[in-house]
Amino acid sequence: QKEVEQNSGPLSVPEGAIASLNCTYSDRGSQSFFWYRQYSGKSPELIMSIYSNGDKEDGRFTAQLNKASQYVSLLIRDSQPSDSATYLCAVMYNNNDMRFGAGTRLTVKP
Amino acid sequence: DTAVSQTPKYLVTQMGNDKSIKCEQNLGHDTMYWYKQDSKKFLKIMFSYNNKELIINETVPNRFSPKSPDKAHLNLHINSLELGDSAVYFCASSLRQYNEQFFGPGTRLTVL
Repeated sequence: QKEVEQNSGPLSVPEGAIASLNCTYSDRGSQSFFWYRQYSGKSPELIMSIYSNGDKEDGRFTAQLNKASQYVSLLIRDSQPSDSATYLCAVMYNNNDMRFGAGTRLTVKP
Repeated sequence: DTAVSQTPKYLVTQMGNDKSIKCEQNLGHDTMYWYKQDSKKFLKIMFSYNNKELIINETVPNRFSPKSPDKAHLNLHINSLELGDSAVYFCASSLRQYNEQFFGPGTRLTVL
């Protein structure tokens, strides 16, 4: 079973705070992990990709991967109201098969 | 400079009709996908094509038939539309397997 689990939220943080989004997956053979952001009525937009254990930073975003625990997370530092969106965790299984979590809705309050 | 484009953006039709959605990417990618996002916003893969070859064919009704005339195009034809087919359909592409996927703007299909 290829499962990707996310807390659906909603998650609410004040402007300037750190938002922490979490995701677990079921298949230990997974090799590629992604975070997408989706604004209401728009298409998913890639934020981060991560392939090996540890942290990967890009601007205000940090992705963390722990393959032993089958866990991937996204931290958003200095959260802005424009970060308010649904964040989708995606896990690539074999043969181009990408599975998405149900998404976590984030609201950043001014 | 649209990377992944879809037409039409909106599609409203009656039950029982046949319709097609077209997708084109100008990124030079070799893999293309169709996803369905339902009213609960859950994004689910339907099909994947790599170099015009079908790689993934999830459990979707055989009323749905993808067609890839070349690497840059992946169309979705739907026969005998049903109410439950109402959703947003996204096309996506990637350079090769395991790489990031880039999504088109989506086609909102409404079946009346």
